Amino acid sequence: ETGVTQTPRHLVMGMTNKKSLKCEQHLGHNAMYWYKQSAKKPLELMFVYSLEERVENNSVPSRFSPECPNSSHLFLHLHTLQPEDSALYLCASSRLAGETAEKLFFGSGTQLSVL
Amino acid sequence: KNQVEQSPQSLIILEGKNCTLQCNYTVSPFSNLRWYKQDTGRGPVSLTIMTFSENTKSNGRYTATLDADTKQSSLHITASQLSDSASYICVVSGTSGTYKYIFGTGTRLKVLA
Repeated sequence: ETGVTQTPRHLVMGMTNKKSLKCEQHLGHNAMYWYKQSAKKPLELMFVYSLEERVENNSVPSRFSPECPNSSHLFLHLHTLQPEDSALYLCASSRLAGETAEKLFFGSGTQLSVL
Repeated sequence: KNQVEQSPQSLIILEGKNCTLQCNYTVSPFSNLRWYKQDTGRGPVSLTIMTFSENTKSNGRYTATLDADTKQSSLHITASQLSDSASYICVVSGTSGTYKYIFGTGTRLKVLA
């Protein structure tokens, strides 16, 4: 148990659906991240939040919309996705943002399939 | 371009045997290098972190080495166990640009009984 919990673990959605991914961290960290992991590709950073403020938006399409209501919770709202968006979406947290010596603590991910 | 390349892509070994995974990087300027272990269906978990001045770091049966001159790192697993079956991901961080963790594609290790 890493202290980072993601729900749901699996999600199947059609291209016209709207769904949300949820992440919660119990570590008292100040930074939270969304990563996309596709088969045989490196993890891709999507968004970074530091103390509930978005500090990085890595050229992610607008059909992905993050929300960070407080430093313990992070959401990824999904709408009108494409089949190529099917992937494992990982949430991570770290004690501080902007310090690359900080260890990332990952959740177990949401395996997303877009039909 | 900042890149991290890992080899082999996949590896199968018998339980009890040793193995070595490789990581080459072109990230510059360099800050630190981490090895993560990712079990199937789980998120990555940090095994070791190495900075520029460190050559070797151990975590139980896992030993990581770093050669900052040749920009190479290796992860050596001793006396492998079935639970070592996982993907091992090398992550390199630079000193410039925030939030810039450069991930490799990982080595998928399978340990057979």
